[in-house]
Amino acid sequence: ILNVEQSPQSLHVQEGDSTNFTCSFPSSNFYALHWYRWETAKSPEALFVMTLNGDEKKKGRISATLNTKEGYSYLYIKGSQPEDSATYLCASRDPGTASKLTFGTGTRLQVTL
Amino acid sequence: SAVISQKPSRDICQRGTSLTIQCQVDSQVTMMFWYRQQPGQSLTLIATANQGSEATYESGFVIDKFPISRPNLTFSTLTVSNMSPEDSSIYLCSVVGLRGTEAFFGQGTRLTVV
Repeated sequence: ILNVEQSPQSLHVQEGDSTNFTCSFPSSNFYALHWYRWETAKSPEALFVMTLNGDEKKKGRISATLNTKEGYSYLYIKGSQPEDSATYLCASRDPGTASKLTFGTGTRLQVTL
Repeated sequence: SAVISQKPSRDICQRGTSLTIQCQVDSQVTMMFWYRQQPGQSLTLIATANQGSEATYESGFVIDKFPISRPNLTFSTLTVSNMSPEDSSIYLCSVVGLRGTEAFFGQGTRLTVV
């Protein structure tokens, strides 16, 4: 059974601030790590899928890194905007059944003017 | 990518009743998944809906409580039976894309049981 943890639970930043969140997961039998962005009343939106130790991915102002040896991933947002307000979920892919995702509880980000 | 239509988007139900949630995908997919998120908890997999065979349930979830149908490769339903306030959650259906790397989700059903 995978145990995925995210911190902080919630975060409140001002527009223009840069911020980051942490996702930790069991490093043994790692398969893949997913990041999602979930706005209220919308579908979770895939941000990144990361598989290799040292992976760094970027999408606009959002980037993520992966350390599979120590079992963590960071998500960074540069110059936060109000539209970045959402819950950010990470999920670890189960190596036994490759389609099953185990999610953390998410980090709820609120960006104010 | 896959476009998933899920309904209803929200409902308020009386305890002891049942609610069926529908999930329609715009393309044929082998597996569909049903998740729920209880307040303050993580998204948790309920079951995998398989076309042509019974759903595969995760530990802690049973068919009598969460019966699932999968009549074809683009549609599935999840029923929450004999509801209690503890069933108040967001329920999401999900599919895995053709490359097998990304998961796509419906918009969710926000259920409140009173």
